[in-house]
Amino acid sequence: GAVVSQHPSRVICKSGTSVKIECRSLDFQATTMFWYRQFPKQSLMLMATSNEGSKATYEQGVEKDKFLINHASLTLSTLTVTSAHPEDSSFYICSARDRVNEQFFGPGTRLTVL
Amino acid sequence: GNSVTQMEGPVTLSEEAFLTINCTYTATGYPSLFWYVQYPGEGLQLLLKATKADDKGSNKGFEATYRKETTSFHLEKGSVQVSDSAVYFCALRGNYGQNFVFGPGTRLSVLP
Repeated sequence: GAVVSQHPSRVICKSGTSVKIECRSLDFQATTMFWYRQFPKQSLMLMATSNEGSKATYEQGVEKDKFLINHASLTLSTLTVTSAHPEDSSFYICSARDRVNEQFFGPGTRLTVL
Repeated sequence: GNSVTQMEGPVTLSEEAFLTINCTYTATGYPSLFWYVQYPGEGLQLLLKATKADDKGSNKGFEATYRKETTSFHLEKGSVQVSDSAVYFCALRGNYGQNFVFGPGTRLSVLP
């Protein structure tokens, strides 16, 4: 089946630094990629939707200048958390949709900001 | 808008017990329905899905039937194992390829 990978799986950073998370579709081309955020013991909340080669569409309440999304190719999207703070600590999950509209989820990246 | 409601957890069962996790939804049209499982520290894995009314999704002993008349998609398993301990998310996706809407998740703990 289709596989979506994320890198890194875990990252710890200091407050004020920026962190980049990669999401790759390994065996299919992803026309659309999604970024979700999951706080402990809560459900997934959609942060933004990105289409290859165009600007991401952010959900209400998500700061686009803080969470930079780049979807440079049909197999790669990146989420950069800029000037991270402890409240940004969370589990970030990406998802990719293929050309027949099937959607697959990555394994997640746990970000801890000290 | 579309929404998903799940029974609140946590659910604690003994091994080999019968499991039911209720899920109901609100949506226009004919959404596809999904159950995802999340093991500790991991991402979401698709457990099963159903794309139209009366369809039954099944996998690894779990099953759920798409009931349009009751707008439900309850998850069942006849005999749970300790390894089934995880968080289970019910989700829907609109019939026009819309974004996923997830329920709040139900944490299941199975004791030996």
